[in-house]
Amino acid sequence: SQQGEEDPQALSIQEGENATMNCSYKTSINNLQWYRQNSGRGLVHLILIRSNEREKHSGRLRVTLDTSKKSSSLLITASRAADTASYFCAHLSGSARQLTFGSGTQLTVLP
Amino acid sequence: DTGVSQDPRHKITKRGQNVTFRCDPISEHNRLYWYRQTLGQGPEFLTYFQNEAQLEKSRLLSDRFSAERPKGSFSTLEIQRTEQGDSAMYLCASSPGGRDKNYEQYFGPGTRLTVT
Repeated sequence: SQQGEEDPQALSIQEGENATMNCSYKTSINNLQWYRQNSGRGLVHLILIRSNEREKHSGRLRVTLDTSKKSSSLLITASRAADTASYFCAHLSGSARQLTFGSGTQLTVLP
Repeated sequence: DTGVSQDPRHKITKRGQNVTFRCDPISEHNRLYWYRQTLGQGPEFLTYFQNEAQLEKSRLLSDRFSAERPKGSFSTLEIQRTEQGDSAMYLCASSPGGRDKNYEQYFGPGTRLTVT
């Protein structure tokens, strides 16, 4: 079962606006990853932030990590219609180093 | 295309039938994972292979499910006596493993199973 929650569950914004998604998790982590999933498709890795990092940037993406609060946020700046997708945070767990995913945020960017 | 591939992309079957899915990971990746994703939820871990050895199974993997990875290359996931509750997207992912603890995983497009 999922061990994290994402907030909001759904977000609808206009093209050009910024989108912020939040993620909480329950265990200690080595890193936290964000993935994007277009409707009915597989997941694409977006960005990874290590537990000793507080902020990381990649293009229009900005991720923050607060290990004391067990939370992370993903900011997408200057959103585009093509950013419409579900976004999931995930962290490694278990002896298999499998990913444990949050419940996801469905982002809709309106043109 | 050197990404992870899965076949078939869609499968519709009647309750009680057996189904088998195939995953071809990225060729140099020795770690292979299967996940299941139901509508509106994030993927949930099913099982893990390191090379040909199946090293981890989640409690979600009932005895109707079996997975193999012969010769440490492609993998198959079989569901016997399918039930409507098995309807989901089945995702395969591979990872290079090694000493890098980050273990970024690369996902295939998934197989969507519908049990009628």
